[in-house]
Amino acid sequence: GEDVEQSLFLSVREGDSSVINCTYTDSSSTYLYWYKQEPGAGLQLLTYIFSNMDMKQDQRLTVLLNKKDKHLSLRIADTQTGDSAIYFCAEALSGNTPLVFGKGTRLSVIA
Amino acid sequence: GAVVSQHPSRVICKSGTSVKIECRSLDFQATTMFWYRQFPKQSLMLMATSNEGSKATYEQGVEKDKFLINHASLTLSTLTVTSAHPEDSSFYICSARELKANTEAFFGQGTRLTVV
Repeated sequence: GEDVEQSLFLSVREGDSSVINCTYTDSSSTYLYWYKQEPGAGLQLLTYIFSNMDMKQDQRLTVLLNKKDKHLSLRIADTQTGDSAIYFCAEALSGNTPLVFGKGTRLSVIA
Repeated sequence: GAVVSQHPSRVICKSGTSVKIECRSLDFQATTMFWYRQFPKQSLMLMATSNEGSKATYEQGVEKDKFLINHASLTLSTLTVTSAHPEDSSFYICSARELKANTEAFFGQGTRLTVV
């Protein structure tokens, strides 16, 4: 079955880079996502990557995918206090299947 | 980008009453919408898949008579929590995808349900 694992907590200093890691089990996953959730709010799509890509960069965000190891990471450059939130990794088999989420990584940014 | 609107954002209801949550895709059509539930400090768990014009598909352990899902049009799905109890208190989030392939899933703002 599908399973997504990520570490629960990460603490970084403002200005440093943050790297949030995620592993998944289903090699058939086609879409891999990173969502951000601020307290009491819904999910905000940060970025996503298709399984045929190794890397995707979007401004301060860099996503790396190691399909062989089923490992996904999100790097946030120059982390700011406004980046403090819970970050969810999610996978989906296709465009019309539901997402399977990890438990989320709580990122705390220390000023 | 595509927008999914979920309403209400917060609701407090008494035990035994029913609550309806709406999920609308504002600028695209979605044949399929998903309903998730999030317990405090936990991940999102899929409750059901809502298909326009047909019955919803529920995940194992989700009571379909308690969580009624209606997907009457390509832009609207509703989740009704019937005879709500305090243990139903949770954060409910819907998501939708456009009809075309290779698109990301867009999420509503979520509904915080508190049953007292």
